[in-house]
Amino acid sequence: AQTVTQSQPEMSVQEAETVTLSCTYDTSESNYYLFWYKQPPSRQMILVIRQEAYKQQNATENRFSVNFQKAAKSFSLKISDSQLGDTAMYFCAFMTSGSNYKLTFGKGTLLTVNP
Amino acid sequence: GAVVSQHPSRVICKSGTSVKIECRSLDFQATTMFWYRQFPKKSLMLMATSNEGSKATYEQGVEKDKFLINHASLTLSTLTVTSAHPEDSSFYICSAETTPDTQYFGPGTRLTVL
Repeated sequence: AQTVTQSQPEMSVQEAETVTLSCTYDTSESNYYLFWYKQPPSRQMILVIRQEAYKQQNATENRFSVNFQKAAKSFSLKISDSQLGDTAMYFCAFMTSGSNYKLTFGKGTLLTVNP
Repeated sequence: GAVVSQHPSRVICKSGTSVKIECRSLDFQATTMFWYRQFPKKSLMLMATSNEGSKATYEQGVEKDKFLINHASLTLSTLTVTSAHPEDSSFYICSAETTPDTQYFGPGTRLTVL
């Protein structure tokens, strides 16, 4: 069974600074997908960034980037120039074809951006 | 972009009654939709996979007779909580897939059972 571990229940960062959220996963599959989702107070799940395991290049979306270390099974999210609107729960998630493309979520990290 | 809606956004019901939650893909067709449950300050737990035109696939520990899922069209899946009890109070979220590796989420439904 696949597992996703987020070891930081809560984090805080000052506005305009950079923060990194950690995520590790466990799987025996070779091809899979990794995601970071954001859930603000509205509770709408928003896709932040995704990474396909066969791609060696780290995904980037504007201020959001990942550090994907396949051998270490690590998938951290870096948020640059943090903004107040980045305050949210962040969930790391994992998906494989072997699991019928079902998402497995980590427990989440509550990020607070302070002014 | 792909938009998924849920209705209602909030519902309060009495213990013993049934409640239906709708999940619609507004601008795309979705053969597969998913239903999740989220407790306060917790992660999303997959309840079931809803497949258009066939029976839903439930995760281990989810009572299929209590959480009835119907995926009657390519844009609509419904979750009916039957004989609801206070312990069923939770936040229910659906998602719809555009491709097998991409899901879009609805805004969620807060169910409170008195």
